[in-house]
Amino acid sequence: DVKVTQSSRYLVKRTGEKVFLECVQDMDHENMFWYRQDPGLGLRLIYFSYDVKMKEKGDIPEGYSVSREKKERFSLILESASTNQTSMYLCASSYGAGYNSPLHFGNGTRLTVT
Amino acid sequence: GDSVTQMEGPVTLSEEAFLTINCTYTATGYPSLFWYVQYPGEGLQLLLKATKADDKGSNKGFEATYRKETTSFHLEKGSVQVSDSAVYFCALKWHGTDKLIFGTGTRLQVFP
Repeated sequence: DVKVTQSSRYLVKRTGEKVFLECVQDMDHENMFWYRQDPGLGLRLIYFSYDVKMKEKGDIPEGYSVSREKKERFSLILESASTNQTSMYLCASSYGAGYNSPLHFGNGTRLTVT
Repeated sequence: GDSVTQMEGPVTLSEEAFLTINCTYTATGYPSLFWYVQYPGEGLQLLLKATKADDKGSNKGFEATYRKETTSFHLEKGSVQVSDSAVYFCALKWHGTDKLIFGTGTRLQVFP
């Protein structure tokens, strides 16, 4: 079974702090994604990566950056956290676009910025 | 741009009732369509999918048919259980990419 692990289940940070959300997958997947989930808005794509050191902006990249130094790990970085970034963050991975494979999701990190 | 519209929830049903959750999409062409489910405290998991018009996806008693004439992919189940209580997301993606476009989600609550 594919396992996507997000390092923290709950996180509380202060405004202006630099925040790192970590995600690790154990199935040698090429693609990795960061979504945020908000009530009434569903899931919105922040960034995705289709290879090591490669990244592309999703629909709402402002205020975020990402890092993928190793294939299994994809980090989401909030350079200076703000209260409007309080949300549930979901990481996902997939085998690769050419395989029409489903996305496998982690259990999410609920981030509160005070 | 491409989008997915789902009926607003919550949908509240008694056990063994019939379920329909509506989903329509806006897209130029024929994307693949998906239903994902999120149980309390968990991430999303794939429930079923359909990759072309008239395809029917099915899993765990749930079904959805890709209708290009109405651009719809409604989720149905003949007899729901309490364990089906969850949030259901409709989504689309284009061939050659794994980027999913999600609807807003519909919460289903099933009572005994």
